[in-house]
Formats: sequence, structure tokens, C-alpha cells
Amino acid sequence: AQSVTQLGSHVSVSEGALVLLRCNYSSSVPPYLFWYVQYPNQGLQLLLKYTSAATLVKGINGFEAEFKKSETSFHLTKPSAHMSDAAEYFCAVSDRSTGTASKLTFGTGTRLQVTL
Amino acid sequence: GAVVSQHPSRVICKSGTSVKIECRSLDFQATTMFWYRQFPKQSLMLMATSNEGSKATYEQGVEKDKFLINHASLTLSTLTVTSAHPEDSSFYICSARPGQGASPLHFGNGTRLTVT
Repeated sequence: AQSVTQLGSHVSVSEGALVLLRCNYSSSVPPYLFWYVQYPNQGLQLLLKYTSAATLVKGINGFEAEFKKSETSFHLTKPSAHMSDAAEYFCAVSDRSTGTASKLTFGTGTRLQVTL
Repeated sequence: GAVVSQHPSRVICKSGTSVKIECRSLDFQATTMFWYRQFPKQSLMLMATSNEGSKATYEQGVEKDKFLINHASLTLSTLTVTSAHPEDSSFYICSARPGQGASPLHFGNGTRLTVT
């Protein structure tokens, strides 16, 4: 079974500071990995995904994540936080099943707070 | 592209009544849709996988008679919470993917259900 662990349920950074949200995965085979963002009372929006092409993945809103097999990690970063980045962030993993039925398993989420 | 529409966004109902939530893929066909439930400040828990033209697959611990899923067309899946109770109050989110395998899930904006 696959799983992801997000270290830190709550992260607070100053506006303009580096954002680092941690995600470690557990999988017997290289998985697909995703980061999603959720604003209050809304669904999830895809930030970026790793599907075995480049290990450094760039996403929307200036976010990027690096797949490190040796560390089983897929941490999300952004060089300079903006107030609008305040939200809940979820790391997710799926297997490499073909077809549309491949399930996503989510981490417990990290709430990012951005302060002035 | 790849828009998933969920309706209603918010519903309040009395105990004992049933509530239907609709999930539509607006610009793609989805043979599979996923229904998640999210408790306050928690992660998303997969409830069931909705399969077009066949029975839904429920996750362990999810009551299939309580949460009725119908996927009658390639663009519409419905979740009916039957005989709702206050403990069913939650945020329900549907999702689907336009492609296969590594194609990411796209999420509806969720439905906030409050049972009084």
C-alpha cells in the first residue's frame, strides 16, 4: 500500500520568505506524486505532479517540487511567499495503474500561514 | 480544460431526509469518478469509486446503503446521503480525471452538508 506523510500540520512564514512543505512517500514501486492546494470551502487545485520525467517539477504560482528517490521525498518549495499562498496543501500519491481508476491517497495536509 | 462541477455547494437538511449531490465533468468524459469526504481540518478520505454503467466500489467502512452512488452517464455521478444524521455533516468532494494513469485528478468545489 502506498502512503504519504506530511511533516508539520502547520507552517508559518513571513511574506517574501522561502516556503518549504515536506512530503515523504512510501511505495514499493516509483509512484506518481502530486501536490494540491485547497482554499477554504473549496475543492482542490493541482499545483504540480511528478510522473517520472524530470525530477524537478515546476508548477503553478511559482511552486516547485523535487523528487528524491534516495530520500523518498517530494518536498514543495517556493522562493518567496505571498499572502495569497495561505491555504491548505496536500501531498498525494497514486500507483502506476493504467486506466482512469487509479486512486489517490492524500497526506494529512499542511496549513500554510503567511504573515506580514 | 478538465473542469469538474459539483452541485450544490452548500446544503442544510433535517435529520432523516435524503440529500443528493451531483458531480459533472463539463468538458471530458469520465468513466470513473471518485467521492471523497473531508472532516474539518483533516485530510480527504476516499469513500467510493463511481463506475459508469456499473456498481460503485466502496472503501472499507463506508456504508453503501447510506451513501448511494449512481453513475448513469459519462459526465454525471451522483451521491445520495440517505436518512441523513448530524454525524453525516461534512464536506463532500468529487473528482475525475480526463485521461489515464498519470493524468491528475480534477476536483469539484465540494459540497458542505449540514444535517440539523
